[in-house]
Amino acid sequence: DVKVTQSSRYLVKRTGEKVFLECVQDMDHENMFWYRQDPGLGLRLIYFSYDVKMKEKGDIPEGYSVSREKKERFSLILESASTNQTSMYLCATNSIGQGYNEQFFGPGTRLTVL
Amino acid sequence: SQQGEEDPQALSIQEGENATMNCSYKTSINNLQWYRQNSGRGLVHLILIRSNEREKHSGRLRVTLDTSKKSSSLLITASRAADTASYFCAPYYGNNRLAFGKGNQVVVIP
Repeated sequence: DVKVTQSSRYLVKRTGEKVFLECVQDMDHENMFWYRQDPGLGLRLIYFSYDVKMKEKGDIPEGYSVSREKKERFSLILESASTNQTSMYLCATNSIGQGYNEQFFGPGTRLTVL
Repeated sequence: SQQGEEDPQALSIQEGENATMNCSYKTSINNLQWYRQNSGRGLVHLILIRSNEREKHSGRLRVTLDTSKKSSSLLITASRAADTASYFCAPYYGNNRLAFGKGNQVVVIP
């Protein structure tokens, strides 16, 4: 089974702090994704990566950056956390062999910025 | 936006009944996927239907796809309390990303 792990289940940070959220997968998938999920807004794509050191902006990249130095690890960085970044953050991965396949999700990190 | 759009957005049914939810999308798709999310957890993939398929089954789940109407439906038969969750449709347009909808909250009353 694919395993996608996220560094924290719950996180509380203060406004202005730099925040790192980390995602690790064990299935050698090419693609990795970061979403945020807010009530009434569904899942919104922040960034995704299709290979090591490669990244593409999603729908809401402002205020975020990402890093993918190794294939299995994809980090989301909040350079200076703000209260409007309080949200559930979900990491996902998938492979692109034989068409576009399902995404596998981590358990999520609920981030609160005070 | 090219997000999938689920309908209805909330559904409450008795255990044992069938639950049907619909998804509409905007342009031609490569495939369409359905996911489930139990309260406060990550999403779990349920089923994928390709653009050249019209119907697909997986256990108590049945998905249909009508590309002429740009719509899909998910049917859960003989629902159980454990089916209480949010259900998301996610069209894939071929741009290396899924266009998740806002989700459909289903409550199954024991």
